[in-house]
Amino acid sequence: AQSVTQLDSHVSVSEGTPVLLRCNYSSSYSPSLFWYVQHPNKGLQLLLKYTSAATLVKGINGFEAEFKKSETSFHLTKPSAHMSDAAEYFCVVSDLGNTGKLIFGQGTTLQVKP
Amino acid sequence: GAVVSQHPSRVICKSGTSVKIECRSLDFQATTMFWYRQFPKQSLMLMATSNEGSKATYEQGVEKDKFLINHASLTLSTLTVTSAHPEDSSFYICSARDPQGFTNEKLFFGSGTQLSVL
Repeated sequence: AQSVTQLDSHVSVSEGTPVLLRCNYSSSYSPSLFWYVQHPNKGLQLLLKYTSAATLVKGINGFEAEFKKSETSFHLTKPSAHMSDAAEYFCVVSDLGNTGKLIFGQGTTLQVKP
Repeated sequence: GAVVSQHPSRVICKSGTSVKIECRSLDFQATTMFWYRQFPKQSLMLMATSNEGSKATYEQGVEKDKFLINHASLTLSTLTVTSAHPEDSSFYICSARDPQGFTNEKLFFGSGTQLSVL
């Protein structure tokens, strides 16, 4: 079965410093992986997705993630944090068969300090 | 881009009443919609898959008689929480799949509904 594990429940960075949100996945096949962001009491917005094309995926708002099969990781990074980046971030894997069902990680709360 | 509208955004109800939440795809026809539940500070858990014109498929542990799902048209799915109790208080989010896109790359989420049962 597919699963994702977000290694940090809470990450705190200063504005202007790099962001690293860690995610490891478990899958018996080449997965489709996503990062979503959720602002308080809001729905989810897709940041980026990996679907077996380029391993370095660029998303919106300056975020990117690198798929590393050898490490079964899909960490999310951003060179310079902005106050507006403070939110909840979810690493997500799609189910086998592309039925549309998504399996969410536990989430990482990103705090950005001025 | 594609938009999924979810209504209401927030609802407060008395224990024992039923609450209906609507999820609409505004510019595409969604043959499949999904309903998630999110407890405070926790991740999203899939409750059920809603298929247009057929019965919903519920995840293990989700009471189908408690959470009624209707997907009567290609643009609308509804989730009704029947005889709501305080433990049903949660954030409910729907998503819709645009079949014209490449499956999981075309999933769009509603903005969520915060249900509070008193």
